[in-house]
Amino acid sequence: DVKVTQSSRYLVKRTGEKVFLECVQDMDHENMFWYRQDPGLGLRLIYFSYDVKMKEKGDIPEGYSVSREKKERFSLILESASTNQTSMYLCASSWGGRTGELFFGEGSRLTVL
Amino acid sequence: GIQVEQSPPDLILQEGANSTLRCNFSDSVNNLQWFHQNPWGQLINLFYIPSGTKQNGRLSATTVATERYSLLYISSSQTTDSGVYFCAVRGSTLGRLYFGRGTQLTVWP
Repeated sequence: DVKVTQSSRYLVKRTGEKVFLECVQDMDHENMFWYRQDPGLGLRLIYFSYDVKMKEKGDIPEGYSVSREKKERFSLILESASTNQTSMYLCASSWGGRTGELFFGEGSRLTVL
Repeated sequence: GIQVEQSPPDLILQEGANSTLRCNFSDSVNNLQWFHQNPWGQLINLFYIPSGTKQNGRLSATTVATERYSLLYISSSQTTDSGVYFCAVRGSTLGRLYFGRGTQLTVWP
């Protein structure tokens, strides 16, 4: 079975802190994604990566950066957390190309005070 | 990007009832998936179904790609079926999937 593991289920941070959300997959998938989910807004794509050291902006990249130094790991970084980044963050991975099935991690619920 | 519309937005059923959830999309797709979001927030894969029909226990799904819609059928609903059901599609753009807003299903005992 595909396993996508997110480092923290729940985090509480203060405004201005640097926040790292880690995601690891064990299926050698090429593609990895970060989404955020907010009530009434659905799932919105922040960034995705289709190969090591490659990244593409999604719909809402402002205030975020990402890192993919190894194929299995995709990190989401909030350089200076703000209260409007309080959300559920979901990591996903899939095989490369246009047809690979997407698998999600358990999610990380971030609260910024 | 591809527009994905799901209906109904909310559905309330009594245990044992059947239901049909619909997903319409605006362009041809290479991938279509149905997910169930559990109460803890995790998205669980139900079906990978860019075309055709599949069944898994009480759930089945049909995608008619030429008419740009997919249906998810839930038979003999149980309280554990409650949650949000998402449809997501991938078109010609490399990588990304486009999600609908979901259908919130509540099953009462």
